[in-house]
Amino acid sequence: GDSVTQMEGPVTLSEEAFLTINCTYTATGYPSLFWYVQYPGEGLQLLLKATKADDKGSNKGFEATYRKETTSFHLEKGSVQVSDSAVYFCALNTGGFKTIFGAGTRLFVKA
Amino acid sequence: NAGVTQTPKFQVLKTGQSMTLQCAQDMNHEYMSWYRQDPGMGLRLIHYSVGAGITDQGEVPNGYNVSRSTTEDFPLRLLSAAPSQTSVYFCASSQPRDSDTQYFGPGTRLTVL
Repeated sequence: GDSVTQMEGPVTLSEEAFLTINCTYTATGYPSLFWYVQYPGEGLQLLLKATKADDKGSNKGFEATYRKETTSFHLEKGSVQVSDSAVYFCALNTGGFKTIFGAGTRLFVKA
Repeated sequence: NAGVTQTPKFQVLKTGQSMTLQCAQDMNHEYMSWYRQDPGMGLRLIHYSVGAGITDQGEVPNGYNVSRSTTEDFPLRLLSAAPSQTSVYFCASSQPRDSDTQYFGPGTRLTVL
């Protein structure tokens, strides 16, 4: 079945460090790929999405590129801030609205 | 525009008790769903609805009931709570034309003793 695998956390970085959170997927068909972010005590919010191969999603300085050849959608940010501390979920959707989520990666950013 | 709202925020139950988690959205979204979030497991789909009067089971439906009498509301009922249902529950909604992008409520943290 469809699945999403993302790197285990927590990831701890200093402010202004470079961030990469790895995500790979298994899916039949051609899924849309997503990154959701969950701030402490809140629900998930869509951070960015990409709907086809080689698309790059971007938002708030975060980027991820849909790599069909490596079935990956790694999240990157050039310079993280304390306010980026959150849990990040990689997800896929192959149609309809049933979304498959990864286990989540917790990010701590130290001042 | 409040988006997706959930009540209560926190709840403690004893084994065997029943309760209803409330979810409402004011965006006129046709699709609504319930997920549970457990450590190390991401979110798992419990039940979903594609419109008023239509519901279906997701990945982990056992022990839960849902109904959808209006577009706005999608309550989740625990029939006889068990410790295995201790989790954080999220309600989400989306539109058919953009169904792969979901809007989540703030969650309900449930503890079953």
